[in-house]
Amino acid sequence: GAGVSQSPSNKVTEKGKDVELRCDPISGHTALYWYRQSLGQGLEFLIYFQGNSAPDKSGLPSDRFSAERTGGSVSTLTIQRTQQEDSAVYLCASSSLQGGDSPLHFGNGTRLTVT
Amino acid sequence: AQSVSQHNHHVILSEAASLELGCNYSYGGTVNLFWYVQYPGQHLQLLLKYFSGDPLVKGIKGFEAEFIKSKFSFNLRKPSVQWSDTAEYFCAVNARAAGNKLTFGGGTRVLVKP
Repeated sequence: GAGVSQSPSNKVTEKGKDVELRCDPISGHTALYWYRQSLGQGLEFLIYFQGNSAPDKSGLPSDRFSAERTGGSVSTLTIQRTQQEDSAVYLCASSSLQGGDSPLHFGNGTRLTVT
Repeated sequence: AQSVSQHNHHVILSEAASLELGCNYSYGGTVNLFWYVQYPGQHLQLLLKYFSGDPLVKGIKGFEAEFIKSKFSFNLRKPSVQWSDTAEYFCAVNARAAGNKLTFGGGTRVLVKP
């Protein structure tokens, strides 16, 4: 079926505004990750959902960042009171098993620009 | 802190040259190891993976990687690169010690000159 879908593909927002980024994983995939990719910074882990387990939020950089996954499928990453340093490409990925046993399928990302 | 390290940030080489990209990790215990590639304008995709068994793993497009447990390394190699191998390469490690989440290295940008 379709791959991981992220929306919007591009988002420009003013500093201080809230943004919501959406991820539709591959149907049936139980593991879902959010990463942030900044120029020269590689992939920074943000949050990991696995089935019905409590999410691993250890990568969220501040309490302005939050994410939820409704019904074990669609996930939304919310950034409140955006700052210029939040500008990056936000990547979502999913896998069919626990992340360690199955490769990740990545979406094309949402490029966030905070002005 | 536990991490994944890629030694080179940028590599420039000519076609037909050999490529080796270093990757080291600091997690103990059971690990699963991956290399992902991101071609210009495309999303990340899996190049190869190691879970267990033969420590020399062969992937797509002529790439291979060797897991050396004693050195906590998983270096990527290709004997003869092509211009189309220009991309960014990411090593990634999943470790039970890290809660089973996949942690990426900082990436290595490879430019192959025709």
